Amino acid sequence: TQLLEQSPQFLSIQEGENLTVYCNSSSVFSSLQWYRQEPGEGPVLLVTVVTGGEVKKLKRLTFQFGDARKDSSLHITAAQPGDTGLYLCAGVFDQTGANNLFFGTGTRLTVIP
Amino acid sequence: DSGVTQTPKHLITATGQRVTLRCSPRSGDLSVYWYQQSLDQGLQFLIHYYNGEERAKGNILERFSAQQFPDLHSELNLSSLELGDSALYFCASTQAGGGYNEQFFGPGTRLTVL
Repeated sequence: TQLLEQSPQFLSIQEGENLTVYCNSSSVFSSLQWYRQEPGEGPVLLVTVVTGGEVKKLKRLTFQFGDARKDSSLHITAAQPGDTGLYLCAGVFDQTGANNLFFGTGTRLTVIP
Repeated sequence: DSGVTQTPKHLITATGQRVTLRCSPRSGDLSVYWYQQSLDQGLQFLIHYYNGEERAKGNILERFSAQQFPDLHSELNLSSLELGDSALYFCASTQAGGGYNEQFFGPGTRLTVL
């Protein structure tokens, strides 16, 4: 069973602060995705990273894929209350192309106005 | 709205019972994935169907089974329910059978086993 560890598990910050969330595995991902989930809803895809060392930006969110494709980070600049939610990383490990996602345990972010 | 629908939204039942959760994928999507989300274990991949055929199994118990019908909707059957089966159950769909395609998640079914 592939294990994805996310840290921190909980994060509460003031509006305007920066934060970084980490996702680590002992296995190599063929690709990695970051999702955001709000209460009562399913996860929504934020980004997919495929290439080791890849950096993608989505407005104030910066996603980085580790060179060895075993870890990833999500950095949020100047957090807003609207960023509050559960952030999940999800890795695809198998080479068959079946796209089965294995999720991390999540980071629950609260941004206080 | 992801375009994926799940019914029912909430389900309360007793231990030992059997329930069926239903998922309708987005129009045109051939793949359906089922996940279980509980407080202590996060989102767990259960099973994947592509165009009516089982494609892959994850951590799915033998008491659970699923199928995908010709109209591409899918059902997850949970039997001999235990307290620990209480969780949110999500289905997700994607057009293709693999690759890096985005999975679109439904709103989930919250199952409570008393």
